[in-house]
Amino acid sequence: GAVVSQHPSWVICKSGTSVKIECRSLDFQATTMFWYRQFPKQSLMLMATSNEGSKATYEQGVEKDKFLINHASLTLSTLTVTSAHPEDSSFYICSATTSGRIYEQYFGPGTRLTVT
Amino acid sequence: DQQVKQNSPSLSVQEGRISILNCDYTNSMFDYFLWYKKYPAEGPTFLISISSIKDKNEDGRFTVFLNKSAKHLSLHIVPSQPGDSAVYFCAASFDNQGGKLIFGQGTELSVKP
Repeated sequence: GAVVSQHPSWVICKSGTSVKIECRSLDFQATTMFWYRQFPKQSLMLMATSNEGSKATYEQGVEKDKFLINHASLTLSTLTVTSAHPEDSSFYICSATTSGRIYEQYFGPGTRLTVT
Repeated sequence: DQQVKQNSPSLSVQEGRISILNCDYTNSMFDYFLWYKKYPAEGPTFLISISSIKDKNEDGRFTVFLNKSAKHLSLHIVPSQPGDSAVYFCAASFDNQGGKLIFGQGTELSVKP
């Protein structure tokens, strides 16, 4: 149980375009979903926290107009990278938690974004 | 400011021996600490956690030790197996921040047969 999927697993886009990444909890209802970004050989950096039906809370330094997060249901959250630039190229990982297990987050497999 | 640090980027251990992965933190107010295992191109997988009120938690081959005075925790894997080869991240969390995790940089463990 506790499976989280992400789609797509990798994507290449041109500079200036927008990319949407989906995060789904397949066998449980996720009250909270988190979006992380990981650069090579570095730690996972939390970008934002989203709760179903409410606006996402962004970490300091993360542009909310550039990284749009929508948590429309208890099983789906989306991250849209708008007007992507090469510096947005990274590995994006989502995680999900269920009520009562907030400290045990289940992570998706990640999405590799390359902006050319 | 890196609140959670893993100073060893890599560790190599012989199969059957003990692997010890270390993690240091700067904020004494953290309430929980967790260890995650990550394979390339995959998301991290939860391994084991420990509350700040405890100093040890054991689950099978995995034991986490917490030394609050030194602001240090370690993950022991005994015996180490080749399948344990992965990147291990320690993470810390506050009780009142909705599960937000602060990760270390990770340590790549290689267990050689």
